[in-house]
Amino acid sequence: QSALTQPASVSGSPGQSITISCTGTGNNIGGDNFVSWYLQHPGKAPKLIIYDANKRPSGISNRFSGSKSGNTASLTISGLQAEDEADYYCCSYRGGDTWVFGGGTKLTVL
Amino acid sequence: EVQLVESGGGLVKPGGSLRLSCAVSGFIFSSYTMNWVRQAPGKGPEWVSSISSSGDDIYYADSVKGRFTISRDNTDNSLYLLMNSLRADDTAVYYCARGMTIFGEVLGFDPWGQGTLVTVSS
Repeated sequence: QSALTQPASVSGSPGQSITISCTGTGNNIGGDNFVSWYLQHPGKAPKLIIYDANKRPSGISNRFSGSKSGNTASLTISGLQAEDEADYYCCSYRGGDTWVFGGGTKLTVL
Repeated sequence: EVQLVESGGGLVKPGGSLRLSCAVSGFIFSSYTMNWVRQAPGKGPEWVSSISSSGDDIYYADSVKGRFTISRDNTDNSLYLLMNSLRADDTAVYYCARGMTIFGEVLGFDPWGQGTLVTVSS
């Protein structure tokens, strides 16, 4: 069981927006610790899309946005596209120079 | 172009050992914290270990502490993971990943290599 809880699946139609939640505790997400999000297409390595809860690396579409409130972080994808269909993982620093990931959310674009 | 290329995975019996390597190019390797992250089949990633840019600071997940050893060679732009006393639950794709560092803080993992599969089975 992962320390960070994500919904197993979400779905949306092209053009719509979806939000994926990631719930932790005060020892990780809620402790002002760094939250990042990754997308992973089948057979590929994870790719960073959000860091520090709400910042996008260079080259990542502004359709991806992140937020955090208390022990929960969220990833929102607006203007859904077929290429967004992938697995999404949240990650949080949890102190002691250790990190924890969520179990992942499979996004289906209908 | 930044590249991380893992090698060394394979099939090993329980209790056996394996040494993974990650060859890096396209950035100043000696300036970055590096990490190993694994992903068991059908599961989310699991952070395994990290090593500071100098190699002086090393951290491990509780699940591998005492069995795995991370190291790096800054003259050869290479990262290593020596895995001893392997168990079935160590079966996973092992990725090396650069620490995304801003103002000295590691904020995430970017980029990742393509991974190397380790299978522990009799």
